[in-house]
Amino acid sequence: EVQLVESGGGLVQPGGSLRLSCAASGFTVSTNYMTWVRQAPGKGLEWVSVIYRVSSTYYADSVGGRFTIARDNSKNTLYLQMNSLRAEDTAIYFCARGGHLLPMDVWGQGTTVTVSS
Amino acid sequence: QSVLTQPPSVSAAPGQKVTVSCSGSSSNIGNNYVSWYQQFPGTAPKLLIYDNNKRPSGIPDRFSGSKSGTSATLDITGLQTGDEADYYCGTWDSDLSDGVFGGGTKLTVL
Repeated sequence: EVQLVESGGGLVQPGGSLRLSCAASGFTVSTNYMTWVRQAPGKGLEWVSVIYRVSSTYYADSVGGRFTIARDNSKNTLYLQMNSLRAEDTAIYFCARGGHLLPMDVWGQGTTVTVSS
Repeated sequence: QSVLTQPPSVSAAPGQKVTVSCSGSSSNIGNNYVSWYQQFPGTAPKLLIYDNNKRPSGIPDRFSGSKSGTSATLDITGLQTGDEADYYCGTWDSDLSDGVFGGGTKLTVL
């Protein structure tokens, strides 16, 4: 079964760091475009970042320089390293297969990040 | 402020048809494929339409999409109460080098 399962969310203080994981099954992360999308409480979807090929990554301006997308091919897992977290980063974070010029056809269930003191 | 513009809400009676619009520009909708996503409260988004007008396996043909110039449209016919959800359009913006979404449209089936 094709599936994505996120983990790593939680409560963190402003300025802190968190690493989200997205474990894939039923397909190979390394040969697919992979995307992070977030949704703040009561708000719409916001694109965060996409990775494809080894060094091709893009970031939303709101997270550029603070977030890093990466993948571990041996673990078939996608990551989002989040540093210098702000209150406005509070959201549910979804990982998805696809992105860039491809549709996002498989989504994880999401993991919640709360940035608060 | 979303790059793509959608109406905040639409409504119609069961059995009727509703149209959700999505307006963009030449750097996004005008030159890239549009996808539509359906999201029920508390759940992950689900791909509904891709490449402007294609349906993934399992999506009923009551859902259809189209694109003209810098705008896209999602049509839902034979409305059912189970269609009540938020609908988002999305694409890539070649100038921003970002993925972009509309602000979302809440569908109410009266």
